Amino acid sequence: KAGVTQTPRYLIKTRGQQVTLSCSPISGHRSVSWYQQTPGQGLQFLFEYFSETQRNKGNFPGRFSGRQFSNSRSEMNVSTLELGDSALYLCASSGLATDTQYFGPGTRLTVL
Amino acid sequence: EDKVVQSPLSLVVHEGDTVTLNCSYEVTNFRSLLWYKQEKKAPTFLFMLTSSGIEKKSGRLSSILDKKELFSILNITATQTGDSAIYLCAGRLNAGGTSYGKLTFGQGTILTVHP
Repeated sequence: KAGVTQTPRYLIKTRGQQVTLSCSPISGHRSVSWYQQTPGQGLQFLFEYFSETQRNKGNFPGRFSGRQFSNSRSEMNVSTLELGDSALYLCASSGLATDTQYFGPGTRLTVL
Repeated sequence: EDKVVQSPLSLVVHEGDTVTLNCSYEVTNFRSLLWYKQEKKAPTFLFMLTSSGIEKKSGRLSSILDKKELFSILNITATQTGDSAIYLCAGRLNAGGTSYGKLTFGQGTILTVHP
């Protein structure tokens, strides 16, 4: 089975711009969770989607949003980028009746 | 607030040494604890623990959970340079809708294995 894929792998943006990141889960997995990883804060939960519905959300401002499509692929959007949004954004997918999440390679976002 | 704390934060050993990494948690309505290894990018799954006292083992790595004392340990025997990585533990709580898809991670332990 192919693993979780994320595109793009690297992004450089400037403050005030917006960005869209994409995540394709493992085939058959319907849950996709997003995390932000920074040296200071570690891995922090952003939100989780299941069957095109957001089921859970972390403590991030409304500038961070996401969606999921009928094929379980998910996108994450960050609007009005700030310097502090520079981070590694990881998505993870999991199957039914399991807590195990499998991570993609991440998208490294740099905001200048 | 749910909290996962790992210790030590960093560890330097030589090949062949045995290491023990610690993870304590304060997660309401605990459901499971997971260990991951992160080298360059994506954390890779190692173990998931749900029951106390049952050791999970994979090669030189093993892990056990103590639900009474709220901690878990990850042991690596006969370490190799390829074990150098960040080891993350994460807790998953069982609180209905608020738990879906959310893992609460510790800060990670940076393990460096010298030849």
